[in-house]
Amino acid sequence: AQKVTQAQTEISVVEKEDVTLDCVYETRDTTYYLFWYKQPPSGELVFLIRRNSFDEQNEISGRYSWNFQKSTSSFNFTITASQVVDSAVYFCALSDRNTGNQFYFGTGTSLTVIP
Amino acid sequence: DAGVIQSPRHEVTEMGQEVTLRCKPISGHNSLFWYRQTMMRGLELLIYFNNNVPIDDSGMPEDRFSAKMPNASFSTLKIQPSEPRDSAVYFCASSLGPGTSGSNEQFFGPGTRLTVL
Repeated sequence: AQKVTQAQTEISVVEKEDVTLDCVYETRDTTYYLFWYKQPPSGELVFLIRRNSFDEQNEISGRYSWNFQKSTSSFNFTITASQVVDSAVYFCALSDRNTGNQFYFGTGTSLTVIP
Repeated sequence: DAGVIQSPRHEVTEMGQEVTLRCKPISGHNSLFWYRQTMMRGLELLIYFNNNVPIDDSGMPEDRFSAKMPNASFSTLKIQPSEPRDSAVYFCASSLGPGTSGSNEQFFGPGTRLTVL
């Protein structure tokens, strides 16, 4: 069965600190896809990144970076030098060949960046 | 592109009334999803369509909920009769579908905040 666990319910950091959001997933498929979404206070869900199971290279996009480790079934998200605008709920999601294009979302991590 | 469009953005209704939520997916996307988000249950998939055909409606809570996709550019989610426990934010999302390369990211609309009194 597919499952996504975001164990951190809420995190607070002071502006300019680095913060890592954890995501652990479960799937029996060897081909799967992982995603991160951001939900700011305004409520919309914004796509951040997609990663497939055959690409374990870490990715960096500005202050954002993602660490994909199949050995630990984790797809963690790090924000460097956090800013107040990073305050949001962040969701990790999984899909695989059994789910088609249906996503399994984690419960989200609420990040508050304190000025 | 305008992105996924949902209407209305806010809806307040009384228990027992019929509610219809509307969604226009991104042009060219062939998969459409309806989600419900509440504090208690998080983000739940209600139903999704591929090429206008419902594929999985196992997330629809009960017979009071129904969804249709009469064409590639329009979908509705209807609740009849509505109940206070239906109060939530309802999101519509669309994607290119699995294709041959696997799953594609979903793009979400702004959501409809439904309050049933």
